[in-house]
Amino acid sequence: QKEVEQNSGPLSVPEGAIASLNCTYSDRGSQSFFWYRQYSGKSPELIMSIYSNGDKEDGRFTAQLNKASQYVSLLIRDSQPSDSATYLCAVNCSQLIWGAGTKLIIKP
Amino acid sequence: EAGVAQSPRYKIIEKRQSVAFWCNPISGHATLYWYQQILGQGPKLLIQFQNNGVVDDSQLPKDRFSAERLKGVDSTLKIQPAKLEDSAVYLCASSLGPAGVSYEQYFGPGTRLTVT
Repeated sequence: QKEVEQNSGPLSVPEGAIASLNCTYSDRGSQSFFWYRQYSGKSPELIMSIYSNGDKEDGRFTAQLNKASQYVSLLIRDSQPSDSATYLCAVNCSQLIWGAGTKLIIKP
Repeated sequence: EAGVAQSPRYKIIEKRQSVAFWCNPISGHATLYWYQQILGQGPKLLIQFQNNGVVDDSQLPKDRFSAERLKGVDSTLKIQPAKLEDSAVYLCASSLGPAGVSYEQYFGPGTRLTVT
């Protein structure tokens, strides 16, 4: 069975620090990887997608992909209280498989 | 560009009643998804449409859930009869192409269903 694993948290990070969120997946054939942010009571919002090994940067966000280790991560630099949310990892292997999410809390 | 539209936003029904949800995807998006999300869990795919055809409904409880996407644009999801365990948020998403490629999915605001 195809699986995506995330630490449920909560992960508590001081404001201004780097938040590091991790995700592992089971299907070696996975081709594309997504990070969604979900605020409490809201729907998931796409923040990053990554398709090849290495880093992809977008503003304060960096996605890192290592297909050999079946590992994808999201780094948030200069964390702000507004970054407090649940971060969902989704992996595309003929269908989109979702992790359960990591709850991130940024402490002022 | 308008996003994915869903209605209603909230619904409270008693068990054994029926309920229907509506979704209008982003213009030009061929693929439409219905998800169920229970608090603390990731979204669970119920059904995926490519234009007006069903691509994947393997996790749809077909004895009580039904969905259609006539004319390949908007879609309705129905539950009849509802059970207590159907209490969840029902999310509609759309993408330019099928999930088997790499197209990103965009979500509507969701419908929060409470079954009492």
